[in-house]
Amino acid sequence: QVQLQESGPGLVKPSQTLSLTCTVSGGSINNDNYYWSWIRQHPGKGLEWIGFIHYSGTTYYNPSLKSRVSISVDTSKNQFSLNLISVTAADTAVYYCAKDPTVHQLGGRFDLWGRGTLVTVSS
Amino acid sequence: DIQMTQSPSSLSASVGDRVTITCQASQDINNYLNWYQQKPGKAPKLLIYDASNLETGVPSRFSGSASGTHFFFTISSLQPEDIATYYCQQQDSVPVTFGGGTKVEIK
Repeated sequence: QVQLQESGPGLVKPSQTLSLTCTVSGGSINNDNYYWSWIRQHPGKGLEWIGFIHYSGTTYYNPSLKSRVSISVDTSKNQFSLNLISVTAADTAVYYCAKDPTVHQLGGRFDLWGRGTLVTVSS
Repeated sequence: DIQMTQSPSSLSASVGDRVTITCQASQDINNYLNWYQQKPGKAPKLLIYDASNLETGVPSRFSGSASGTHFFFTISSLQPEDIATYYCQQQDSVPVTFGGGTKVEIK
């Protein structure tokens, strides 16, 4: 049974870099059929897709965040990571990692989610 | 970006009622439309994919349908455990985008 778990600091100062890691357990991240995604939810608001990565390193990012975001994969640790630079209070959100089985459709269906982690941007 | 307009934003219904939520895409999305359920404090859960396919393990009282750029999510008989916010989401093109959500409450 594949499970996802986000980890990282819960508090980040403005202008600094938000860094989160998603650990995949119960299965291998080295799967041709999956993308691995980051999605966030501002407090009390809707969902915003950030981007996804294939274990091969192929990435797709939301254009609204593309200049500040990078997603990477560490196959040796069965993890993928999110870096968001130059954060502001507007980046305060619950960040989720998710599994996407639709590589054949260029991605975008999230069939398994982590529990999410709240990141607050504040000095 | 493709805009997903979801309605209503909230609804209140009685146990056993039939509940329908609508989602309209700003352009053709080839039925690449998914529905998620999010309970308070929890991550979203995939219920329906490709407009009308029930995800494995999801109760059959949940269903989805499509008509052009209009998509419909139905709970045939509302149960107390269905209290949640429901989101539609298109995956026809990047960036994938979500509707604004529908909060379902028990009357």
